Amino acid sequence: QIQLVQSGPEVKKPGESVKISCKASGYTFTQAGMQWLKQAQGKSLKWMGWINTNTGKTTYAADFTGRFVFSLETSASTAYLQITNLKNEDMATYFCASLSPHWFAYWGQGTLVTVSS
Amino acid sequence: DVVMTQTPVSLSVSLGGQVSISCRSSQSLVHNNGNTYLSWYLQKPGQSPQLLIYKVSNRFSGISDRFSGSGSGTDFTLKISRVEPDDLGVYYCGQGTQYPPTFGGGTKLELK
Repeated sequence: QIQLVQSGPEVKKPGESVKISCKASGYTFTQAGMQWLKQAQGKSLKWMGWINTNTGKTTYAADFTGRFVFSLETSASTAYLQITNLKNEDMATYFCASLSPHWFAYWGQGTLVTVSS
Repeated sequence: DVVMTQTPVSLSVSLGGQVSISCRSSQSLVHNNGNTYLSWYLQKPGQSPQLLIYKVSNRFSGISDRFSGSGSGTDFTLKISRVEPDDLGVYYCGQGTQYPPTFGGGTKLELK
């Protein structure tokens, strides 16, 4: 069955970096782009952007340029989200999702990033 | 960006009852290709969202026919009939017609 498994929770200090992984299984990794979404505690979902798993081309939403980087390890069917120079407002749960460009059919379980000095 | 407005913010229901959630978009969600990319998700406490409905009225794999979606243009509705305990959580509508994809603020379904 199709699964997206994300890495575990992270606790970081402001200014540090974090790298979250999302390992896909049950389908051909390169057949669909990987999307990333952010959900702050008690808030709705915000789309961050996506990476084309065939070409590696990235597209970032306006609020997620500069400190956010999507990358791939195609041989491991894994996508990554790296956030540098962490700020308090980056504290949230981050989800990967895949298998359709127009809706979000399959989701990872989420990775909670806590930013605290 | 397309603004998605859901009402109500919260809803109390008795088990076995029926509820409707409304979702309105600030622009038409009809894509150039004729499809309308409006989807519905349920997020249970402590879990990731799960897709219920895509393209307005298509139930995702394994989703009960107690869930139905309807609407067109800018106005959409999710109906849940014969509510069960496992239906409780926060419901989100989302649009994938225009970039960036956006979501409503959520509707929390609770037991009366």
